[in-house]
Amino acid sequence: SAVISQKPSRDICQRGTSLTIQCQVDSQVTMMFWYRQQPGQSLTLIATANQGSEATYESGFVIDKFPISRPNLTFSTLTVSNMSPEDSSIYLCSVMKGSGSLGTGELFFGEGSRLTVL
Amino acid sequence: DAKTTQPPSMDCAEGRAANLPCNHSTISGNEYVYWYRQIHSQGPQYIIHGLKNNETNEMASLIITEDRKSSTLILPHATLRDTAVYYCTRLSSGSARQLTFGSGTQLTVLP
Repeated sequence: SAVISQKPSRDICQRGTSLTIQCQVDSQVTMMFWYRQQPGQSLTLIATANQGSEATYESGFVIDKFPISRPNLTFSTLTVSNMSPEDSSIYLCSVMKGSGSLGTGELFFGEGSRLTVL
Repeated sequence: DAKTTQPPSMDCAEGRAANLPCNHSTISGNEYVYWYRQIHSQGPQYIIHGLKNNETNEMASLIITEDRKSSTLILPHATLRDTAVYYCTRLSSGSARQLTFGSGTQLTVLP
């Protein structure tokens, strides 16, 4: 398994500000992802955090709005920039562990960071 | 085009088996089916996954049809603590190993 710690667990932010969410894993992992879960909705993948290179963003998400760092195999940050009320969501860090040619590992999630933008 | 389709909600009596269906008719041959659940205000929890054979673990059983176009998650003896949103997902293979979540099924276990 994997123990994933996210900080902050929740925050209330003002419009126009930026917030950085940290994700710490208790062991080295190759694959790390950031998801967003808007109120009452399912999870949407924001990006794959790549160690040593730029993150890979999904359609609808851009680096200027959601810059991601991945300095090593146990840590990543997601910044939500220039926030608006529409950014109010739970942001979840996840990691994939396990092996196999088809990547049949389990995806473990942190408890999420609940952001409210006023 | 939803990658997985699930009923939005289901009820189940405590102690009975909960059978949660999922349609994934466009699944490709090397994509796995994964099931997760999310209890309110918590991160999603892994339940089980499979490719084409039926799978069982301590939490649940997964039945995948022979054509792989649908699957059913079975909780053999549902408890009140199994009340959660259950997500059926597909794992893309190769370098882009991502899980894409659908809308999920809200399972309510009734006393």
